[in-house]
Amino acid sequence: QVQLVESGGGVVQPGRSLRLSCAASGFIFSAYTMHWVRQAPGKGLQWVALISNDGITKHHADSVKGRVTISRDNSRNTLYLQMNSLTTEDTAVYYCARATFSGSYLPNGPRDWGRGTLVTVSP
Amino acid sequence: QSVLTQPPSVSAAPGQKVTISCSGNSSNIGNNYVSWFQHLPGTAPKLLIYDNDKRPSGIPDRFSGSKSGTSATLGITGLRTGDEADYYCGVWDSSLSAEVFGGGTKLTVL
Repeated sequence: QVQLVESGGGVVQPGRSLRLSCAASGFIFSAYTMHWVRQAPGKGLQWVALISNDGITKHHADSVKGRVTISRDNSRNTLYLQMNSLTTEDTAVYYCARATFSGSYLPNGPRDWGRGTLVTVSP
Repeated sequence: QSVLTQPPSVSAAPGQKVTISCSGNSSNIGNNYVSWFQHLPGTAPKLLIYDNDKRPSGIPDRFSGSKSGTSATLGITGLRTGDEADYYCGVWDSSLSAEVFGGGTKLTVL
């Protein structure tokens, strides 16, 4: 059974950094592209980034490009999201999600999701 | 402002059918596969439909998906109060090199 457990959220001041983690189990982590998606309070889902199964291909949303970096450690079955220069606009629940199909090809949208971790950026 | 356009809300009575539309363009829906997600507050979003019209195992056939040109539609028949949730369409946008979602549609089962 696919399990994705996000951690690392919390309250942080504007301008600071935070690293989110997503621990994966129940599937061959190294075979799947992974996504981060967020939901700000009262808003809809917003895609943040994806990384291919081998870590070579990465795409980030324009809204976070240059401040946010997705990475993974296949030896630890863990996905990461490094977020720098945080602003109040980054306040959201952050979800990690496994792609629909195994392999590194794109497009390959989200299928299985974690329950999310809340990031609050506040002075 | 979302790249994909969905109605903010839809409603119908228990047992009835409802459809939710998702409108995009040739960079996204027109040339890529559409997914649909159900999201209840405080829970993990759930994939209902992928590749326009395929259901993952465990998703009942009350849920269906279709695509025509640059628009997609989610259909739900035999509505139940448990179907009350937010529904999102999602698709890869080849011009943006990004996954994009609709703004979400809140389903109310009256």
